[in-house]
Amino acid sequence: DTGVSQDPRHKITKRGQNVTFRCDPISEHNRLYWYRQTLGQGPEFLTYFQNEAQLEKSRLLSDRFSAERPKGSFSTLEIQRTEQGDSAMYLCASSWGQGEETQYFGPGTRLLVL
Amino acid sequence: RKEVEQDPGPFNVPEGATVAFNCTYSNSASQSFFWYRQDCRKEPKLLMSVYSSGNEDGRFTAQLNRASQYISLLIRDSKLSDSATYLCVVNEGGTYKYIFGTGTRLKVLA
Repeated sequence: DTGVSQDPRHKITKRGQNVTFRCDPISEHNRLYWYRQTLGQGPEFLTYFQNEAQLEKSRLLSDRFSAERPKGSFSTLEIQRTEQGDSAMYLCASSWGQGEETQYFGPGTRLLVL
Repeated sequence: RKEVEQDPGPFNVPEGATVAFNCTYSNSASQSFFWYRQDCRKEPKLLMSVYSSGNEDGRFTAQLNRASQYISLLIRDSKLSDSATYLCVVNEGGTYKYIFGTGTRLKVLA
């Protein structure tokens, strides 16, 4: 399967713990996006990368959230000192860029903060 | 005003019906418009891009009205398998940042 993959698929953690999620995009895609989705809402933009450069970060994202994409390949999203309000589905998507903007989404990581 | 607004529904329609969804956006500089489909507990998938001249893909027709800042999706001859949430997506003018609407839920009934 050469689609977008995310790991882990599910994560349960206690409030105050740090968590890290990984996203592997489609190999030739140079744009990578992170979104957060809660029940009954559409995906909410968090950040995006063009190759290894993080070009935009949502102002809704607190300092507890950080994302990296070393070498322009896979990406990680870390949440420090998790809060119950962080419980959501975290979706990663990638796109080719170069005039083709279709985003291909991974299956998501479902986070539950107790 | 939200950047991208959709009626959350649900729209309950019988098989074979025609149903239309609208989506309004607030940023007049937006250039890229899409409809994505999301099945329950699955990731979103592209249904179709929306072009200025309007476009059709089988039973699905998308339209863009820049003057009134809305896009629409028309589904003809609804199938049970069309039951899903339809997400309107618009880029934030001049950027590759995409804003999703809350989605419109469609249920096609036998």
